[in-house]
Amino acid sequence: GQNIDQPTEMTATEGAIVQINCTYQTSGFNGLFWYQQHAGEAPTFLSYNVLDGLEEKGRFSSFLSRSKGYSYLLLKELQMKDSASYLCAVSLDRGSTLGRLYFGRGTQLTVWP
Amino acid sequence: DADVTQTPRNRITKTGKRIMLECSQTKGHDRMYWYRQDPGLGLRLIYYSFDVKDINKGEISDGYSVSRQAQAKFSLSLESAIPNQTALYFCATSDSRVGTEAFFGQGTRLTVV
Repeated sequence: GQNIDQPTEMTATEGAIVQINCTYQTSGFNGLFWYQQHAGEAPTFLSYNVLDGLEEKGRFSSFLSRSKGYSYLLLKELQMKDSASYLCAVSLDRGSTLGRLYFGRGTQLTVWP
Repeated sequence: DADVTQTPRNRITKTGKRIMLECSQTKGHDRMYWYRQDPGLGLRLIYYSFDVKDINKGEISDGYSVSRQAQAKFSLSLESAIPNQTALYFCATSDSRVGTEAFFGQGTRLTVV
């Protein structure tokens, strides 16, 4: 079976930095994705890692270590609008550009003023 | 207009009724997916289709069926709805040629009473 673990909840204050961890054990691997989801809305794409290392995109960075089955999402200069659920997902289909995504249960981040 | 459109957005139905959720996309993507989201459980894959003639079961296909009427349309049916199918349903698309992310529709909130 597939297993993706991430913390259920995290809190932080405005302007701070927060790191959301994700560990995975899956039958296939063709990349790791992070999505942001506000309550009742569609998930929106944040980042994609397929090779080891850090990918930076503005206030958001994502890191991957394939040998450790580990990723993290780093959010800097937190804003109130960053309060949302952050979903870690693994693409399972090796050899294809993007196939099935297997999701973790999501980390609910609350940013306090 | 949204690139991935789901109808209806909200639906309340009775146990035992047949219901169809529809998804259409204008992105020209070949791959389409149906996911279900329950509180605390994350997104789980119900069915996926890599092209019009290709339909595959996901993690939780029991009690559901799908139809890929055209490249742009992918419908999910509940033949005989039951209360534990109450959930938020998302359709998603991806492009096998160049895509590295999945795009989600706005979601359909289904309540079975």
